[in-house]
Formats: sequence, C-alpha cells, structure tokens
Amino acid sequence: SQKIEQNSEALNIQEGKTATLTCNYTNYSPAYLQWYRQDPGRGPVFLLLIRENEKEKRKERLKVTFDTTLKQSLFHITASQPADSATYLCALDQTGANNLFFGTGTRLTVIP
Amino acid sequence: DAGVIQSPRHEVTEMGQEVTLRCKPISGHDYLFWYRQTMMRGLELLIYFNNNVPIDDSGMPEDRFSAKMPNASFSTLKIQPSEPRDSAVYFCASSRTGGAQEKLFFGSGTQLSVL
Repeated sequence: SQKIEQNSEALNIQEGKTATLTCNYTNYSPAYLQWYRQDPGRGPVFLLLIRENEKEKRKERLKVTFDTTLKQSLFHITASQPADSATYLCALDQTGANNLFFGTGTRLTVIP
Repeated sequence: DAGVIQSPRHEVTEMGQEVTLRCKPISGHDYLFWYRQTMMRGLELLIYFNNNVPIDDSGMPEDRFSAKMPNASFSTLKIQPSEPRDSAVYFCASSRTGGAQEKLFFGSGTQLSVL
C-alpha cells in the first residue's frame, strides 16, 4: 500500500540547534516533493519544492534534500528559533496526477 | 489578494443535519481542492476542480458528500446527512495551474463538529 511517513509525531529541540525532519514514502514515484508549515488553527503554508532531479534546495535557514533511491526527503532548519515551532508536512505527487498526497506531519517545538 | 477564504470557521451541528462549507479561491487560480484533516489520517484529498469542472472525486468518502463549483470564485462542499465521524477540519486550497510543481494556497479551514 502507499504510505508517506514522517519520522515522528513530535520533535523537541533547543533553540539555536538544527532541526531535521524526515519524510519517507512507499509505493510512490514522485516527480516533486513539497514541504509545508502549519500553525494551530491555520491552513498549511508552502515552504519549499524540490524536483526529483535535484538533490538539495535551500531557502534562508531551510534546506531540503530528496533521495529517490532511499525514497526519502530530509528537511533541515538551521539556527532554530521558538518562532519555528509548528507542524511541518511533506507532500508529494504520483506520476501523472495533478494532486498532492500529504504525510501526517511532525510537530516541532523549539525550546528557548 | 485576500487569499483563499473559507466559511464558516466553525460549525457545530447535530447528526442527520445538512452541512454546507464554502470556499472562495484566489482570483486567477484555475484549480481548487477540498481536503479533510484528522489526527488519525492527516490531510486527505476529497475532490478537485479544474476551471470549475470536477476532475477527481475518488476521495469523497460516500454519497453523503457532494461538491460544486458553479463559477470560478465559489465552491461548496455539502454533507447530507452528517454523521459524527465526519467531524474534522475541512480545508479548501487553490493553485494557479495544475500539477504537483505548483504550490497550494490553503484557506484557514472549517472546524466541523457533528454531535
């Protein structure tokens, strides 16, 4: 069956450290993988997109990697801040489809 | 632009009642998606439209659910009759063009509670 698994439901880290979130997928062949941030009571907000032929993408303190052999994406937040506390969702497509499939998310808490 | 607008923000109803959720996508966006979010199952796609035409409704749980998009600026998701297991947050999202290379813009969601 198809699955998108994010490493853990919750992750706590100390301010200033690097947070690393994992997204593993099974029985998908995505051409694109996206990461979203969701705050309580709000809809997800787009952060980054990475294509299957890209190994790494960066945006300010964010970095995403995409390994189609391992079927895994890693999402890093460097120099984390309490304001980074939120739930982070990965989303990917299935070849030929116009819609995205989402993981259940990882709730990140950055402790001051 | 005001973003994707959903109403109501919260809906509490009794089992058996009809529920209508509303969505106004971002102007100029050709695709509109309805998602449902629960703790157990995460974000699930229910249905999506391209230029007001339903393209894929395979995620609609059963016949009690229906969705319409009468014009480019308005869509509804209706549940009739509602059941307690329909309790969830329902999100509407839009994108400029289709395809997974496009980012989705989500509304703030409708928190539905069916008692």
